Amino acid sequence: GAVVSQHPSRVICKSGTSVKIECRSLDFQATTMFWYRQFPKKSLMLMATSNEGSKATYEQGVEKDKFLINHASLTLSTLTVTSAHPEDSSFYICSAPRPGKADTQYFGPGTRLTVL
Amino acid sequence: KNEVEQSPQNLTAQEGEFITINCSYSVGISALHWLQQHPGGGIVSLFMLSSGKKKHGRLIATINIQEKHSSLHITASHPRDSAVYICAVTPLRAGNKLTFGGGTRVLVKP
Repeated sequence: GAVVSQHPSRVICKSGTSVKIECRSLDFQATTMFWYRQFPKKSLMLMATSNEGSKATYEQGVEKDKFLINHASLTLSTLTVTSAHPEDSSFYICSAPRPGKADTQYFGPGTRLTVL
Repeated sequence: KNEVEQSPQNLTAQEGEFITINCSYSVGISALHWLQQHPGGGIVSLFMLSSGKKKHGRLIATINIQEKHSSLHITASHPRDSAVYICAVTPLRAGNKLTFGGGTRVLVKP
């Protein structure tokens, strides 16, 4: 079946550093990928839609300069948390809809970011 | 009011019991998803529904489009079913964007 991977699964960094999270579709091409954030015991919140070959679309309240998204190829989207602060600590998840299978979404395993 | 509401928020059951989780939504949708999130965080898509009923093993999902309501049933529950179950909808004209319910935390005790 289709698989979406994320790397790293867990990252701890110092305040002020930047962290890059990768989301890959392993056996299908994804022109669109979604990035979500999840706080402890809360549901997922859509941050942005990553579009291959064009700029990402950010949800209201999400800082574009803080959360840089690059959809470099049809199988890879990256989320970079720039100048990370402790309040950026969260669980970040990506998903990708499978082309030709309307409304089907595959989720990555998530990346837990801890900013010290 | 959230567009997607789930109930209950938390549920504790004894092994073997029948479990029902409910999801109500207030917008027109093209599909409804039931997702499972284990304590490690990874999310698994259990069902995608646009009408009727689907069954996979001990899991059954139903949807009533007219009433804007869906249920997820777990028959003969087992401790390994302990997880957070999330209802999500694809609103009409939203592309593939999902709107999520708050989740139901299920604990099945042996």
